[in-house]
Amino acid sequence: DQQVKQNSPSLSVQEGRISILNCDYTNSMFDYFLWYKKYPAEGPTFLISISSIKDKNEDGRFTVFLNKSAKHLSLHIVPSQPGDSAVYFCAATAVYQAGTALIFGKGTTLSVSS
Amino acid sequence: AAGVIQSPRHLIKEKRETATLKCYPIPRHDTVYWYQQGPGQDPQFLISFYEKMQSDKGSIPDRFSAQQFSDYHSELNMSSLELGDSALYFCASALEGGTYEQYFGPGTRLTVT
Repeated sequence: DQQVKQNSPSLSVQEGRISILNCDYTNSMFDYFLWYKKYPAEGPTFLISISSIKDKNEDGRFTVFLNKSAKHLSLHIVPSQPGDSAVYFCAATAVYQAGTALIFGKGTTLSVSS
Repeated sequence: AAGVIQSPRHLIKEKRETATLKCYPIPRHDTVYWYQQGPGQDPQFLISFYEKMQSDKGSIPDRFSAQQFSDYHSELNMSSLELGDSALYFCASALEGGTYEQYFGPGTRLTVT
């Protein structure tokens, strides 16, 4: 049973526009959420995170929104750039002890065209 | 900035052979995680260590074992390799008491023939 779901396998956006990537989760124990970006043949690169005590976190062009009641989070990229083209993974964890695993969604492939 | 180092980057083994993957965490990071990513799949958690003790355990086969050493590097030992073990193996590190982000290495691509 997939605890973290990214229902859109792919997203295509034009350069300069907004990219919105969505993620849903089912486990109410999750209290920390992260977005990773991954290029082929490389490891996931940490982008941005949010604690469950917040509903928004912003870092430059990247903003993550969390709706706890809906168990939904989204990553906004504004403006989108061709270099943003990659696979984006949503991940969640319940931070109750050191070494707790991240649970990943299946990823969304973002393509930004110039 | 220093990143997570994994070696080797590529490894080809035959069925029933053994393999050892190594991971060197970011300096001062005390927690190490191992993940397996099959083709077109999301990373699946295998095992983690905090201060050289096993912390959390995921879907790691009994044929696999791992440990974290006094210098915080970690090794994943895989025995009786099967074709289905072919995957990317990522190591990630984190600093306990930090902000919970895990930083991933470039991965080891294991191919079992």
